[in-house]
Amino acid sequence: AQKITQTQPGMFVQEKEAVTLDCTYDTSDPSYGLFWYKQPSSGEMIFLIYQGSYDQQNATEGRYSLNFQKARKSANLVISASQLGDSAMYFCAMREDNTNAGKSTFGDGTTLTVKP
Amino acid sequence: KAGVTQTPRYLIKTRGQQVTLSCSPISGHRSVSWYQQTPGQGLQFLFEYFSETQRNKGNFPGRFSGRQFSNSRSEMNVSTLELGDSALYLCASSLSQVENTDTQYFGPGTRLTVL
Repeated sequence: AQKITQTQPGMFVQEKEAVTLDCTYDTSDPSYGLFWYKQPSSGEMIFLIYQGSYDQQNATEGRYSLNFQKARKSANLVISASQLGDSAMYFCAMREDNTNAGKSTFGDGTTLTVKP
Repeated sequence: KAGVTQTPRYLIKTRGQQVTLSCSPISGHRSVSWYQQTPGQGLQFLFEYFSETQRNKGNFPGRFSGRQFSNSRSEMNVSTLELGDSALYLCASSLSQVENTDTQYFGPGTRLTVL
């Protein structure tokens, strides 16, 4: 079973509007971390935001916020006030317990296109 | 603080050859992980090194190997290249204090093309 599911292969959003990218995950570990990365066409993976499984509040980093619903096992990324430079591939990732040293599990990604 | 660096950025090889990719982590980071990214398989974990020891390995054949030096720099080697090895190879570093809260920071990747 896929551990990270991103159901939206592609999304379009108008410049200056908000957009939500979906991510659901599957784990039996009580302690885990959820991450979002942005990958422009250049290829580099850029870290955006982190949410820990025990965090009580949703994470925010500038225009990025993470809508964490633990019971539903979802960790959606919300980008507010979209900019043309936000056009990229976005990946949701999870890190589990120490037996998986150094390993993040990634979803298939969502391609976001911001329209002027 | 400088980010993760990877060299070379682009490589073209022919089948049967071998290749070595290099990764320098962020200063102070002791964990280095390698990933392979292809359009068909997405991002797949290759292996992770910490303090010169391989701690974890993904499901890849033995042609894929790596090592880490005392300064935390890491190399990965692919021997007897196959067409299917064409991919973007990404290196990520982290402090590796607590695994599931430890953010991995990625380098720009090495794009390998096998002809």
